[in-house]
Amino acid sequence: NAGVTQTPKFRILKIGQSMTLQCTQDMNHNYMYWYRQDPGMGLKLIYYSVGAGITDKGEVPNGYNVSRSTTEDFPLRLELAAPSQTSVYFCASSYSARGGHEQYFGPGTRLTVT
Amino acid sequence: DQQVKQNSPSLSVQEGRISILNCDYTNSMFDYFLWYKKYPAEGPTFLISISSIKDKNEDGRFTVFLNKSAKHLSLHIVPSQPGDSAVYFCAATVGNTGKLIFGQGTTLQVKP
Repeated sequence: NAGVTQTPKFRILKIGQSMTLQCTQDMNHNYMYWYRQDPGMGLKLIYYSVGAGITDKGEVPNGYNVSRSTTEDFPLRLELAAPSQTSVYFCASSYSARGGHEQYFGPGTRLTVT
Repeated sequence: DQQVKQNSPSLSVQEGRISILNCDYTNSMFDYFLWYKKYPAEGPTFLISISSIKDKNEDGRFTVFLNKSAKHLSLHIVPSQPGDSAVYFCAATVGNTGKLIFGQGTTLQVKP
């Protein structure tokens, strides 16, 4: 099992450019999440999905879009990148949404917008 | 509004001693609390969780204590090992949403 994989590992974007961060999991988890982590801060939820075709907003969704066409993939789209979107992005998945259930995280994508 | 707070950015302990990491929260509706550990350039990994109906949960060297009246939880690591050096995040969740609210993290350094 590869677990949760994310590509790319690093990316530099110019202001106004767009990109898609890829996330794939091979654990057949229904629940998937996108978080961002700013320096010295905790992770904040951007979007999440409870299954293919179903997505919903988290704490900080502005400037992002997601889709979930398959169980395995949960891409995050940045349109019109802004410096405030410079961050490390983590994708996660879980078998259940019940409170004590652990989420499995990918290694992250470090994005810089200049 | 920071609902989950870790007020100590860093902690340094000697190998073999106890490490105590603290976390405070404001939302009394949280029903599960989780601790995650993060090494540089890696994603967080789950350590241990506790339900709001319990006051203690133990897993090997790791024990989490919950004080609901004080809205405070702590993670105890005994004995601490150099491999425990990492950033530790406290997180909380409400209901069956899976949505985690994270604290800012505490960097633990365990000195040999």
